[in-house]
Amino acid sequence: AQTVTQSQPEMSVQEAETVTLSCTYDTSENNYYLFWYKQPPSRQMILVIRQEAYKQQNATENRFSVNFQKAAKSFSLKISDSQLGDTAMYFCAFMNWDGGATNKLIFGTGTLLAVQP
Amino acid sequence: NAGVTQTPKFQVLKTGQSMTLQCAQDMNHNSMYWYRQDPGMGLRLIYYSASEGTTDKGEVPNGYNVSRLNKREFSLRLESAAPSQTSVYFCASSGAFKQRDTWGEKLFFGSGTQLSVL
Repeated sequence: AQTVTQSQPEMSVQEAETVTLSCTYDTSENNYYLFWYKQPPSRQMILVIRQEAYKQQNATENRFSVNFQKAAKSFSLKISDSQLGDTAMYFCAFMNWDGGATNKLIFGTGTLLAVQP
Repeated sequence: NAGVTQTPKFQVLKTGQSMTLQCAQDMNHNSMYWYRQDPGMGLRLIYYSASEGTTDKGEVPNGYNVSRLNKREFSLRLESAAPSQTSVYFCASSGAFKQRDTWGEKLFFGSGTQLSVL
C-alpha cells in the first residue's frame, strides 16, 4: 500500500522569504502523480502543483516549485517570496496511475504553514 | 459554476441518529470519492466509486455506506452516528485535464461538511 509522510506538522516563515515543505512517499508502482494541495482557513482544497513521475524535470507554478527525487521517493515544495496569503495547511498527496478509473488520492497528514509579517 | 456540490455544510447529530451527506458533480466525471479530515491525520478515504453502479471501500469505511445513484451523484450515509465520526467530510470527483502539453488526472473537491456527533 502507498503511504505519504509529512514530517513537519508546523512551520513558520517571514514574509518575502523562502520556505521548503518536506514530503516522502512509499510505493512500488512506477506510474504515478504527486500533488501539493493548499487548504486555507476557508477549508477549500486548492491544487498548488502536480508532478508526473515519468518526468525528470521539476514542476513549477509561479512562486511554487518542487524538488522531485524519484529514487529517494521525496517530493518537497518550495515557496519563494512567501506572502501572507500563503498561510494555510499544505497536504502532499500521491495518486497511482494505472490508466483506469480507480485513481485514489492518498494524502499525508499535512504541514501548517504560518507566514509572519 | 461547474464543480462539486455537497450538502449540508454543517450538521449536528446525536449519537445513534442517521443522516445522508449528498454530493453531486456536473463535470461528467466517472470517479467520485468521500474523504474525512481529522486533525493530525490528513484526509482519509472512506469510499470511492470508479463508475456509475460501482463502489469500493477505502481506508476507513466502517460505520458508513455509500450509493452511486447515477453518474452525477454519490451519497454517504451514516446509519447510526457515533462521536468518533465527528469530522469534516469532503466529496471529490476526478477527471482528466490538460495542463500545457500534458494530460493527467485532477481531483475536484467540494467545500466540505462539518459534522459533529454529540
